[in-house]
Amino acid sequence: AQSVTQLGSHVSVSEGALVLLRCNYSSSVPPYLFWYVQYPNQGLQLLLKYTSAATLVKGINGFEAEFKKSETSFHLTKPSAHMSDAAEYFCAVKRNYQLIWGAGTKLIIKP
Amino acid sequence: DAGVIQSPRHEVTEMGQEVTLRCKPISGHNSLFWYRQTMMRGLELLIYFNNNVPIDDSGMPEDRFSAKMPNASFSTLKIQPSEPRDSAVYFCASSLVLTSGSSDTQYFGPGTRLTVL
Repeated sequence: AQSVTQLGSHVSVSEGALVLLRCNYSSSVPPYLFWYVQYPNQGLQLLLKYTSAATLVKGINGFEAEFKKSETSFHLTKPSAHMSDAAEYFCAVKRNYQLIWGAGTKLIIKP
Repeated sequence: DAGVIQSPRHEVTEMGQEVTLRCKPISGHNSLFWYRQTMMRGLELLIYFNNNVPIDDSGMPEDRFSAKMPNASFSTLKIQPSEPRDSAVYFCASSLVLTSGSSDTQYFGPGTRLTVL
């Protein structure tokens, strides 16, 4: 059965520093993987998704993620954090019609 | 595109009252999802509709919860009677599902924050 693990419920980085949010998945078949962002008091918004076309996926707001089958990982990165990146980030794997969600990681940006 | 529309955005009610949450999916989408988000349990899928038909309601907590989709542009989630433990943010999402294993994207509404006193 598919599942998703996000390491770290909270991640704190300084403005301008590298952002790395970790996501590991388990799946018995080649997965479709998603990263969503949730700003305070808003719904979830798609950042990017992996559909097996390319292992490095570029998303909105300067984020990207790399699919590594050998590590069963789909970590989210951004070279330089901005204050506006403060939000909660969710990784998810597709199972039939469902999205199986990670617990989420709150990204805190220090000035 | 207006996106997924939910109403009301906030609802405060007293225990025992009926609550109705509303959702208008994106035009042309054939699938609709109701989620509940709490600090303790995170995001939970409550029910999934495809072509207005409920496909999976295994996430509906109990008989107090019911959902309908009378047409492709409208869905409701009803709680009757409401209890304080139902307090949460309820999201509606829609997508265009071509096959069950496709990489379709779910688009979320802004959510309804429900507080049951």
